[in-house]
Amino acid sequence: GENVEQHPSTLSVQEGDSAVIKCTYSDSASNYFPWYKQELGKGPQLIIDIRSNVGEKKDQRIAVTLNKTAKHFSLHITETQPEDSAVYFCAASDLNAGNMLTFGGGTRLMVKP
Amino acid sequence: SAVISQKPSRDICQRGTSLTIQCQVDSQVTMMFWYRQQPGQSLTLIATANQGSEATYESGFVIDKFPISRPNLTFSTLTVSNMSPEDSSIYLCSVVVGHGYTFGSGTRLTVV
Repeated sequence: GENVEQHPSTLSVQEGDSAVIKCTYSDSASNYFPWYKQELGKGPQLIIDIRSNVGEKKDQRIAVTLNKTAKHFSLHITETQPEDSAVYFCAASDLNAGNMLTFGGGTRLMVKP
Repeated sequence: SAVISQKPSRDICQRGTSLTIQCQVDSQVTMMFWYRQQPGQSLTLIATANQGSEATYESGFVIDKFPISRPNLTFSTLTVSNMSPEDSSIYLCSVVVGHGYTFGSGTRLTVV
């Protein structure tokens, strides 16, 4: 089955700096790669996703890149703000087959004001 | 995208008892996934529930402990049976709809 590794497990940045979180996956059949933000006491919220036919996607301060050959994808947050502090999860699935998501271990991001 | 109503949002239960968690989806979906998130951990799939068939459980999860019902294409329940403090977690349901996945808001379970 799919295995997703996520690094780093914790990340501390100054407000205004950029943050990068990286994930690798094992199953070449995976074609859908979402990123979730989870705040304390809440469920995961989708912040951005990318499919295997796209190499990069951007939404305001958030971007995701995908390297299918190397089987890795990354989340980039620019101009970080204190409200970006949360736990971020990457995930992978074969969405075309309707399969379940496999999650990375999570990254606790702390943005210091 | 689909909207999932998950109940209860939280509960505190005595060890040895059982809790049933419900997820209602506002559209018909083929598969529903049940996840567990232990404190400080990532989400781990418990089982996949298809309507009209037995749920498929992941390694480490068994039907006697986590029985699942899927009576129709919009509803499913997960029961956490004979609870112990180690079952204290957030439990979430999820479905595939259109271009991605939707999650319920989660059930925060504390076993005392």
